Amino acid sequence: KAGVTQTPRYLIKTRGQQVTLSCSPISGHRSVSWYQQTPGQGLQFLFEYFSETQRNKGNFPGRFSGRQFSNSRSEMNVSTLELGDSALYLCASTPRTSSYNEQFFGPGTRLTVL
Amino acid sequence: GENVEQHPSTLSVQEGDSAVIKCTYSDSASNYFPWYKQELGKRPQLIIDIRSNVGEKKDQRIAVTLNKTAKHFSLHITETQPEDSAVYFCAACSGSARQLTFGSGTQLTVLP
Repeated sequence: KAGVTQTPRYLIKTRGQQVTLSCSPISGHRSVSWYQQTPGQGLQFLFEYFSETQRNKGNFPGRFSGRQFSNSRSEMNVSTLELGDSALYLCASTPRTSSYNEQFFGPGTRLTVL
Repeated sequence: GENVEQHPSTLSVQEGDSAVIKCTYSDSASNYFPWYKQELGKRPQLIIDIRSNVGEKKDQRIAVTLNKTAKHFSLHITETQPEDSAVYFCAACSGSARQLTFGSGTQLTVLP
């Protein structure tokens, strides 16, 4: 099975712009979670989607949003970019049948805000 | 919400020695505790996990122990090898939520 894929892998934007990142989960996985990784704050949960519905949201401002499509692919959007949004954005997918929460990560999108 | 503390932040061991990384969590409802290994420039990879209904789990050179009463869990790596060098993250997850709360990471360096 192919792993979780994310596009693009690298992105450079300037302050004030917006950005959309994409994640394709492992085939058959219907839950997708997003995390932000920075040297200072570590790995922080952004939100989780299942069956096109946001089920859980972390403590991030409303500039961070996401959605999930019927094929389980997910996108996250960051509007009005700030320098502090520079980070590695990781998505992870979870098997629908998992009773627990095994999450498998994609390679991430490295976002740099200038 | 959940809070996970991880120690130490850096750990250097000689090849062949054992390494132990410890984590504590705050939410007694947490019932799933995975460990991830992240090599430089790569994605976090799940290396082992433990559910709250067991106290220990082993997979070759890697083991994890869980003490629910004390709310702490540990990763043990035996016979370390240079390829074990990476950042290791512990995490905790409660109930049906798919929100992992991560520790701050441990940079493990295995010296040849």
